[in-house]
Amino acid sequence: EAGVAQSPRYKIIEKRQSVAFWCNPISGHATLYWYQQILGQGPKLLIQFQNNGVVDDSQLPKDRFSAERLKGVDSTLKIQPAKLEDSAVYLCASSPARATYEQYFGPGTRLTVT
Amino acid sequence: SQQGEEDPQALSIQEGENATMNCSYKTSINNLQWYRQNSGRGLVHLILIRSNEREKHSGRLRVTLDTSKKSSSLLITASRAADTASYFCATSNDYKLSFGAGTTVTVRA
Repeated sequence: EAGVAQSPRYKIIEKRQSVAFWCNPISGHATLYWYQQILGQGPKLLIQFQNNGVVDDSQLPKDRFSAERLKGVDSTLKIQPAKLEDSAVYLCASSPARATYEQYFGPGTRLTVT
Repeated sequence: SQQGEEDPQALSIQEGENATMNCSYKTSINNLQWYRQNSGRGLVHLILIRSNEREKHSGRLRVTLDTSKKSSSLLITASRAADTASYFCATSNDYKLSFGAGTTVTVRA
């Protein structure tokens, strides 16, 4: 079974530029998550999708972050414009259902904002 | 906000020794999960313990849960160099996982 795929793996941008990350979850997984992990901290949930609907985006900075999951499969997370404090690893995860199952994580995208 | 808090923040042990780390949390949970993260990589699920369970084993891993104290522990027995990683507890309430800041474990050869 193929795992969660993410791209790019690394990205360096200047502040005020925009950036987009892509995630392909495990086939058949209805729930998709985006996390932000700042160095030295645990992952923080940004947004959760159930199929192509948003379940929770309470911690997503909506003035600069946006995410979509078209057709309930792939997802993109965008930051526009980026700030220095957005430097982090962005992790995508998926799980079979919304309920309390284990999550499967992708390798993450390391973003550096200069 | 992060619900779980791991203790200690860092742990260094000799290969073959046991490693124990603890997790405390604040609110009621459905289950508690432990994940491992190797440097520069994504998280890997290790074990899930439900709120009505007290102890669970998986290979060299042993997890306990004390809901009255709102705490959990992860024991890794007979550690190996490959166990060097960060370990996170994550509490599940309804549909959301909340992660702690993690314990960094270094296993010395």
